[in-house]
Parts: sequence; structure tokens; C-alpha cells
Amino acid sequence: GDSVTQMEGPVTLSEEAFLTINCTYTATGYPSLFWYVQYPGEGLQLLLKATKADDKGSNKGFEATYRKETTSFHLEKGSVQVSDSAVYFCALRHAGGTSYGKLTFGQGTILTVHP
Amino acid sequence: KAGVTQTPRYLIKTRGQQVTLSCSPISGHRSVSWYQQTPGQGLQFLFEYFSETQRNKGNFPGRFSGRQFSNSRSEMNVSTLELGDSALYLCASSLGGVSPLHFGNGTRLTVT
Repeated sequence: GDSVTQMEGPVTLSEEAFLTINCTYTATGYPSLFWYVQYPGEGLQLLLKATKADDKGSNKGFEATYRKETTSFHLEKGSVQVSDSAVYFCALRHAGGTSYGKLTFGQGTILTVHP
Repeated sequence: KAGVTQTPRYLIKTRGQQVTLSCSPISGHRSVSWYQQTPGQGLQFLFEYFSETQRNKGNFPGRFSGRQFSNSRSEMNVSTLELGDSALYLCASSLGGVSPLHFGNGTRLTVT
């Protein structure tokens, strides 16, 4: 079955540091890939997405590129802020069929940014 | 546009009881999905409804059930609660198809 693996956390950075959170997946076909972020006490917010190979998703300074050859979707940001402290989830989803409404999530990576 | 609304935010129940959680999707969204989030198992898919029909179901026991109403609002029911059912239950809505899922803030269920 499908699976998503994220780098072990927690990740602790200083403000303005470069961020990379690794994400690899195992899936048949061509799923869509997503990054979601969860702030304390809240639900998940869609951060960015990519629907086909070589697509780059971007939002709020975060970027991730859908790499079919390495089955990866690593999240990057050039300069993190304290307000980026949250839990980040990588996820995949197939279109239709038995995958209606179903996202397969990674285990989440806790990011803490210090001033 | 209002987001996905889940009620209540917090619930405390006793083992053996049953509970009903409610979800109001974003206006115009006809697909509603439910997820369970726990520290040990992470985020796990429960089921998905579209136009009052369950189209997909995750690997959970029959104690977990749901339904969707004609206005797309959805409820999730858990019967005969167990301690292990303590979790954050998240509802997500979408337009359907490959459109992104939008999540609510969840209902935190504690079973004692």
C-alpha cells in the first residue's frame, strides 16, 4: 500500500536559517503530493501541493518539487521565522476510486524556530 | 468564506459510552472526510462521504460510523468507547475530485 516517510524530528533552527524537511513516498501510479502544517491547538492547513512530476508547489516562502525519479517531495524555506514553528506533514492522495477523500500522511515533523 | 466547523471542540466521555461529533463543511463542498489523530498512530483516515453516500472507508472497527445530510453536514459516531479512542478527530471538506482537503480545528475526545 501507499506510505509516506518524513525525516525524524524534532528540528530546531535559529531564525533566518535554511529549512529542509525530507519526504519520500511509496505509491503506485501518479499521486498528488501535499504539505500540510498544524499549529498548536489547530487543525491542518494546506501549505502547498503538486499534482504531477516536476511540478513545484510554493506558498509563503516554502517550496517543494515533485520528484518522480527519487519519489521525493522535500520541503524547503530559505529563511525561517519564529512564526513557522509548527508540525509539518507530508501527504499523498490518488484521484478517485478507492482513494476518495483519503490522504496518506507521514508521521509529521516538529519544527521549532528560536529568535 | 467560513471554514470547516467542528463541534464540540472538547469532549470527555466514559468507557462504554457513545459519542457523536459534528462537522459543517465549507459552503459548496460536497465531500466530507474524517480522520483520527493520535500521537502513536498519527493521522489515519476513517471515511469519506459525498452527497450523503459513503464512498470510502478506512481500517477502523464498526464502532466507528458516520453519515452525511442533504446540506452536506456530517456526523461521526463512536459507540462503546474504549480508552484507545482518545484522540483528535479531524473533519475535512472538499469540492470532490482532486481538489484539496480543507480541515477543521478538530474535536478533542478524551475517554476515561
